[in-house]
Amino acid sequence: DAGITQSPRHKVTETGTPVTLRCHQTENHRYMYWYRQDPGHGLRLIHYSYGVKDTDKGEVSDGYSVSRSKTEDFLLTLESATSSQTSVYFCAIDGGGSSTDTQYFGPGTRLTVL
Amino acid sequence: AQSVTQPDIHITVSEGASLELRCNYSYGATPYLFWYVQSPGQGLQLLLKYFSGDTLVQGIKGFEAEFKRSQSSFNLRKPSVHWSDAAEYFCAVALIKAAGNKLTFGGGTRVLVKP
Repeated sequence: DAGITQSPRHKVTETGTPVTLRCHQTENHRYMYWYRQDPGHGLRLIHYSYGVKDTDKGEVSDGYSVSRSKTEDFLLTLESATSSQTSVYFCAIDGGGSSTDTQYFGPGTRLTVL
Repeated sequence: AQSVTQPDIHITVSEGASLELRCNYSYGATPYLFWYVQSPGQGLQLLLKYFSGDTLVQGIKGFEAEFKRSQSSFNLRKPSVHWSDAAEYFCAVALIKAAGNKLTFGGGTRVLVKP
């Protein structure tokens, strides 16, 4: 298994509070991704990073920000959580833009916003 | 923009029977296609991937998939299902760029296996 951990694994919070999810990798991969999983939608890309301090938006980025100050950590922040952000969040990593690269996924964080 | 459709939300199959999961994609260029499996409460595990070459791709756990360009399909098959194959299956297409491989997923198909 790829060395990807996510913390926390479960979190319950209230509407309007800030929340930060952490993804940590030990593979030294350049690319990291945040997805959210909702029933019927599969996984949708929120933000991704292609290097330290280099990030870009995905399909569903509104209400989320990210930061990557070192290769191994990619943080996802909900500045003011809303109930629509209740979801399971997955981090993924891969080595880059090669056609042979595979994305590996972390175990997920279940977030509930009340 | 690319899109992926998995027409079957749920499939129930008897143990030992064959399984086929459908995946259709919409993409303007040659697609890079993947199948992932997710067991309950777990992350996603790659079953197989197609980039080019032979259109019949073999994966782990006895799964295979066939790329059919004329039908824009990438269906997943297994000849004989085991109870441990009960899971949710996701088809995905990748936009391969220098700045990362962004995956677009289908909505998933949940497979139930009857004894």
